[in-house]
Amino acid sequence: EPEVTQTPSHQVTQMGQEVILRCVPISNHLYFYWYRQILGQKVEFLVSFYNNEISEKSEIFDDQFSVERPDGSNFTLKIRSTKLEDSAMYFCASGGGSSYGYTFGSGTRLTVV
Amino acid sequence: RKEVEQDPGPFNVPEGATVAFNCTYSNSASQSFFWYRQDCRKEPKLLMSVYSSGNEDGRFTAQLNRASQYISLLIRDSKLSDSATYLCVVVDNFNKFYFGSGTKLNVKP
Repeated sequence: EPEVTQTPSHQVTQMGQEVILRCVPISNHLYFYWYRQILGQKVEFLVSFYNNEISEKSEIFDDQFSVERPDGSNFTLKIRSTKLEDSAMYFCASGGGSSYGYTFGSGTRLTVV
Repeated sequence: RKEVEQDPGPFNVPEGATVAFNCTYSNSASQSFFWYRQDCRKEPKLLMSVYSSGNEDGRFTAQLNRASQYISLLIRDSKLSDSATYLCVVVDNFNKFYFGSGTKLNVKP
């Protein structure tokens, strides 16, 4: 069964540092998403990406965040100048369209210290 | 008002019980509906889509009521392995997914 792959599985970084979270979506999917889940809280939408551009972003997705699909396979989330409150599980998801649901990667646990 | 609302639970039920979860959504233009299951510290996994006519997959039955803007999930003959958090997901007409906060289910022997 096709999978969405995320790396690293766990990242520890110092406050103020930049991190890049990587995702390899399922190859024939067109829609890509980043979500985050702070421990014990609900899954929150960050950003959606379609046709090589951001289609929508939440108010959480401020100027410290950016996404890229640099080479047609990887889909990255960059967080500049991380804050303690950025500590969360970050999930990448990809899908072929809203009727089919989306497949999530296993997540990257980001810990900002 | 939240886009998607669920009873957080927990629902504590014995093995073999039937349990039902409901979820309401606020956007009447919502297009697609799903139930996802999330185990502790794992990613959400698609359990089933929800169709207007209702659909069944083994012990799981999902229903959609567009007029009242709610969806439901019924689990029959609960197993210990059903213990998880069940997330209601609603997709709007811009392909944006909205997650409920999840309903926790504990199935006990």
